[in-house]
Amino acid sequence: SYEMTQPPSVSVSPGQIATITCSGDKLDETYVSWYQQKPGQSPVLVIYQDDKRPSGIPERFSGSNSGNTATLTISGTQAMDEADYYCQVWDSSTYVFGTGTKVSVL
Amino acid sequence: QEQLVESGGGLVKPGGSLRLSCTASGFTFSDDYISWIRQAPGKGLEWVSDISSGGNYRNYADSVKGRFTISRDNAKKSLYLEMNSLRVEDTGVYYCAREKFVSGNTCGMDVWGQGTTVTVSS
Repeated sequence: SYEMTQPPSVSVSPGQIATITCSGDKLDETYVSWYQQKPGQSPVLVIYQDDKRPSGIPERFSGSNSGNTATLTISGTQAMDEADYYCQVWDSSTYVFGTGTKVSVL
Repeated sequence: QEQLVESGGGLVKPGGSLRLSCTASGFTFSDDYISWIRQAPGKGLEWVSDISSGGNYRNYADSVKGRFTISRDNAKKSLYLEMNSLRVEDTGVYYCAREKFVSGNTCGMDVWGQGTTVTVSS
């Protein structure tokens, strides 16, 4: 089955850029979605089809996908962005989530 | 507003059964594929199963195939997950979520419920 790997944690200072990667074989041959999950809350879709933002998601969230790596970038990171982030793909009629990355804003 | 509400979680012994429900409001439930996703305590997200808008197509993760059955009643705007032969490793929060597609391409899961907790323990 398909697997995607994310770094367990990323630390960023307020106002700086946070970069979260998602690695998988030939990842750019499929669309990647990204979800934000804060403690005790349900996941929220922040990026779909690699680089599109749902309505209501701040412009500081952006995405890209090239080769074997998809990237979620948070520009001008705020304290409220501290959360777990998961990448996701749809492969052979099943969904696969990445391992998840905890973003800490220090 | 568009909403999904899960129910039916609880404590069950290994080998037991449980039926989860997910009720929709604020959107045309019968238009959309719906998924079940679970999260073990302190762990990441795991997709479990999904069902097509009309209920004709169903997909399952290998970890639950043969034990779990997904179904839906569009008249009641409800989704179900029948879970049999439950194992300790099935413990976690179970979410339902709406899948979006445009021209056959996935646009992710844009509406999630608040989750219902399943605990499998003796």
